[in-house]
Amino acid sequence: TQLLEQSPQFLSIQEGENLTVYCNSSSVFSSLQWYRQEPGEGPVLLVTVVTGGEVKKLKRLTFQFGDARKDSSLHITAAQPGDTGLYLCAGENDYKLSFGAGTTVTVRA
Amino acid sequence: KAGVTQTPRYLIKTRGQQVTLSCSPISGHRSVSWYQQTPGQGLQFLFEYFSETQRNKGNFPGRFSGRQFSNSRSEMNVSTLELGDSALYLCASSLGTTPETQYFGPGTRLLVL
Repeated sequence: TQLLEQSPQFLSIQEGENLTVYCNSSSVFSSLQWYRQEPGEGPVLLVTVVTGGEVKKLKRLTFQFGDARKDSSLHITAAQPGDTGLYLCAGENDYKLSFGAGTTVTVRA
Repeated sequence: KAGVTQTPRYLIKTRGQQVTLSCSPISGHRSVSWYQQTPGQGLQFLFEYFSETQRNKGNFPGRFSGRQFSNSRSEMNVSTLELGDSALYLCASSLGTTPETQYFGPGTRLLVL
C-alpha cells in the first residue's frame, strides 16, 4: 500500500480545460514535492512545499500544501498538450521520500 | 550545472546474474537515493547514501546493495537477478538537508530474461 494516495489515477482532458490532482495521506510530512515524469525518463521536479497552508504558483500551475501537512493538490489552468505526463507527489520525512502511485494526465489538442 | 547521470541506460541480463548500476550526482550534492520503478508498484525507495554512509533503507531483500564513494558517485548492485527485478532504476541526488528536494537521473532500464 502507498503511504500517499493520489487521485484520480487517470485524467484525460481537452486543451484549455483546467484540472486538479490530489495527494492525500494520514501521515504528516516535513515537506512535499511534486514531479512530472515522461515515458522512459526520470521524474522532473516541479515544486517543493514546506509550510502548512502554503500556496505556490508557477505560471499556470498552482500547488497547495494542506494546513496539517498531510495532503496537497496540484491545479493546472488552461492545460496544454505539453502538460501531458505522469504527475507524482512525494512526502518527505527524515531525508526519505515516499511517493504516490501517480496520476497520468493526457491533454488532447 | 550538469544533471544527474546514470550508466548504463539500458541493460539486459539473465536470471541468476548480477548487475552493477552507476550514478553520478549533481556537483556539490552529497546525498544519493536509489529507487525502483515498475508499472505495478510505482516508485519504491531502495536506499539513500549520504557522505559515503547508508542513511536510509527501504524494504528490499539483501540482494540489493549499494555504496557511495568519496566523490559522492554511487553504485547499486543486484545479485542473483530474478525476473521480477526488471524495472527502471532511478537515482536521485540532493544536498542531503531538509527540505529533501531530489533531482533525478534518466534511469537505467533493466530487463531480466
